Amino acid sequence: DAKTTQPTSMDCAEGRAANLPCNHSTISGNEYVYWYRQIHSQGPQYIIHGLKNNETNEMASLIITEDRKSSTLILPHATLRDTAVYYCIVRVTIYNQGGKLIFGQGTELSVKP
Amino acid sequence: NAGVTQTPKFQVLKTGQSMTLQCAQDMNHEYMSWYRQDPGMGLRLIHYSVGAGITDQGEVPNGYNVSRSTTEDFPLRLLSAAPSQTSVYFCASSWGGQGARGYTFGSGTRLTVV
Repeated sequence: DAKTTQPTSMDCAEGRAANLPCNHSTISGNEYVYWYRQIHSQGPQYIIHGLKNNETNEMASLIITEDRKSSTLILPHATLRDTAVYYCIVRVTIYNQGGKLIFGQGTELSVKP
Repeated sequence: NAGVTQTPKFQVLKTGQSMTLQCAQDMNHEYMSWYRQDPGMGLRLIHYSVGAGITDQGEVPNGYNVSRSTTEDFPLRLLSAAPSQTSVYFCASSWGGQGARGYTFGSGTRLTVV
């Protein structure tokens, strides 16, 4: 699976958009980009995923560059409850190969009042 | 719909003891995985399974065994506990297939080996 590179930490003002970047320059054509977050010591929570088109759900938006070498997770109106570690992961989704999900170090997002 | 259920939530073991961490999911998910998370660290994959009867090693498999006799259950066995296995253990499950939604994680088992 391709490796990802994320900033170690970021700050964001409450109510503003949080834009979390991720580089995945070695991504291959059958790898999806997934985003998870982990709040305190809870289990990680799935946020969103995409292949090459931009995606939006009730939690966030995912913008993937045309060459697919990087992506940005956007939390449109960050709240204090969005303070967490955010993980960007690329994952093959082919039967018998897609089960392996490797976490990196992630970005620690602090939302400040 | 309970999701992913892990038991126990907390456990203290003595060095050398064995135990099984239980994980069950009621979503008929094909994929299941076990992770450990040490204090201040990221998650590391121990073992994973893509279906009943199929398991494979992750990044840190030594000292742990798994089996997947049913779709619902994926127990993790510690053969002879060591202090280095003190950690929080997370189980997760997911659909397989193209573009599947991500893993659903359990709430974790906090294990201390003394």
